[in-house]
Amino acid sequence: GDSVTQMEGPVTLSEEAFLTINCTYTATGYPSLFWYVQYPGEGLQLLLKATKADDKGSNKGFEATYRKETTSFHLEKGSVQVSDSAVYFCALRSDDKIIFGKGTRLHILP
Amino acid sequence: EPEVTQTPSHQVTQMGQEVILRCVPISNHLYFYWYRQILGQKVEFLVSFYNNEISEKSEIFDDQFSVERPDGSNFTLKIRSTKLEDSAMYFCASSALAGGPRTQYFGPGTRLTVL
Repeated sequence: GDSVTQMEGPVTLSEEAFLTINCTYTATGYPSLFWYVQYPGEGLQLLLKATKADDKGSNKGFEATYRKETTSFHLEKGSVQVSDSAVYFCALRSDDKIIFGKGTRLHILP
Repeated sequence: EPEVTQTPSHQVTQMGQEVILRCVPISNHLYFYWYRQILGQKVEFLVSFYNNEISEKSEIFDDQFSVERPDGSNFTLKIRSTKLEDSAMYFCASSALAGGPRTQYFGPGTRLTVL
């Protein structure tokens, strides 16, 4: 079945560092891809999405590009802030349900 | 900005008791979902619901679970006889479109603790 694999956490970075969280997927066809974020004590928020190959989703300084050839959707940010500390979930849409990766916890140190 | 809301935020119950988790989806949305996240594990799909019917359900969604849209605004998940392994965070989601990316918007979750 369809699945998402993302890098294990936690990831700890200093403020203003460059962030990459790797995500690859297995799916039939070309599913829509998503990154969701879960801040401490809160629910899941959609961070960005891409619906077809070579699309780039972006929001709040985060970016991810839908790479069909490598079946990847890596999340990047050029300069992280303490407020970016959260759990990040890579996900895809399979039929009418969202399939999530296990999540990557990100800690940003001031 | 409209958002999905869920009540209660935390529910503690005894094993074998029935619980009802409540969700108010975004008002013009037509598709409704429940997911759960056992502590430390991934978020898992439970069920999708459209036009007063279940559209799809996972193998987790057995006969102990049911969903209902009792009125024009609420969407509920009932667990008939809770087990210890039902302890998890339960997320409701809703989406508007009949096609395309059909972005799902999630609520803040209800943490269910079964003792």
